[in-house]
Order: sequence, then structure tokens, then C-alpha cells
Amino acid sequence: AQSVTQLGSHVSVSEGALVLLRCNYSSSVPPYLFWYVQYPNQGLQLLLKYTSAATLVKGINGFEAEFKKSETSFHLTKPSAHMSDAAEYFCAVKGNTGKLIFGQGTTLQVKP
Amino acid sequence: EADIYQTPRYLVIGTGKKITLECSQTMGHDKMYWYQQDPGMELHLIHYSYGVNSTEKGDLSSESTVSRIRTEHFPLTLESARPSHTSQYLCASSDDRGGTGELFFGEGSRLTVL
Repeated sequence: AQSVTQLGSHVSVSEGALVLLRCNYSSSVPPYLFWYVQYPNQGLQLLLKYTSAATLVKGINGFEAEFKKSETSFHLTKPSAHMSDAAEYFCAVKGNTGKLIFGQGTTLQVKP
Repeated sequence: EADIYQTPRYLVIGTGKKITLECSQTMGHDKMYWYQQDPGMELHLIHYSYGVNSTEKGDLSSESTVSRIRTEHFPLTLESARPSHTSQYLCASSDDRGGTGELFFGEGSRLTVL
């Protein structure tokens, strides 16, 4: 069965520092992978998605993620954090039933 | 611009009241979903629908019910609200023609039951 694990429920970085949010997945088939962002009192918004094309995926707001099959990882990065990046981030994989399976989420805190 | 709309955004209600959370989408998606999200952030699928007159229970048991009479509309109802129902409820839809399973979310309905 597919599953998603996000390492670290809380990540804190300084403004201008590198953001790295970790996501590992398990899937028996080539996966479709997603990162969503949720700002306070909002729904989830798609940041980026991997659909078996390029392994380095660029998303909105300067985020990108790299699909590494050998490591079953899909980590999210941004070179320089901005205060507005503070939010909850969810990694997800498409399951066998067609529904998305979400990780537990990571809270990103950005310190001035 | 979101093409999936939830109302009300916030609702504070007393125990025992009946409530309906509305969800509508204008994208013509066949698949729609309701998630419950507690303060700990994790998303729990409570209902889904793959088309008109089709509804299924999700992974997390819920006392709520849903209906799908029209493609664009997927309301969630609680017949008798209790404090344990206090949570955020997120509606989503997907167009599986592309095969990716990508979900489009509404802005959520935050329910507080006193």
C-alpha cells in the first residue's frame, strides 16, 4: 500500500535561509507526487506536482522538488525563505484507489 | 482563482443543532471529497463521491452524511451537532481525465460546536 512520511512536524528557518522539507513515499508503481501549502484559515493550494516527466519540478513561489526514485524521496526546497512562506506543507502521493494519500504535514516557521 | 466554494467559512453553533456545510465547484469535476482537519493538521478523508448519486464513506468514520444530486454540489450535513464535531472541514474535487489525482480545494469551513 502506498504511504507518505514527512520527516519533521515543525521546521524553523531564518529569513533568507534555505528551506528543506522532507518527504518519503512508498509506492509499488511509478508515483504521482504532490506538495500542497496551507496558509492559516485557508484550504490547500497546489505548490507543484511530479507526473513522471522531469525529475526536478518547479512550482510556485520559488519552490522546487526533486524526485529521487532510488531514495523514494520528493523533498521540497527553496533557496531563500521569506516571511510569507510560513505555513503548513503537505506531501501527497496518488494511491492505488486513485485517491491522494497525504503525509502528516510540516509546519514551517520563518524567523526574522 | 479558486473554482470550488465552501460556505459558511466560519460557523459557531450550539449542541444539538442541524448544520449543512455547502460545497460547490464550477469545474465540472466528477470526483468530490470531504476532509476533516483537526488542530493537529493531519487530513482525514470522511466522504467522497465519484459522480451524481454516488457517495462513499472515507477512511475516518464520521457521523456526518453527504449527498450528490448535482455534479457541482456536494453538501455535508450533521443532524445533531456535538462539541466533538468541532473541526475544519475541507471540500475538494478532482478531474481524473489527466490521471494524476490532483485535488483542488475550497477554503474550508471552520465549525465550532458549543
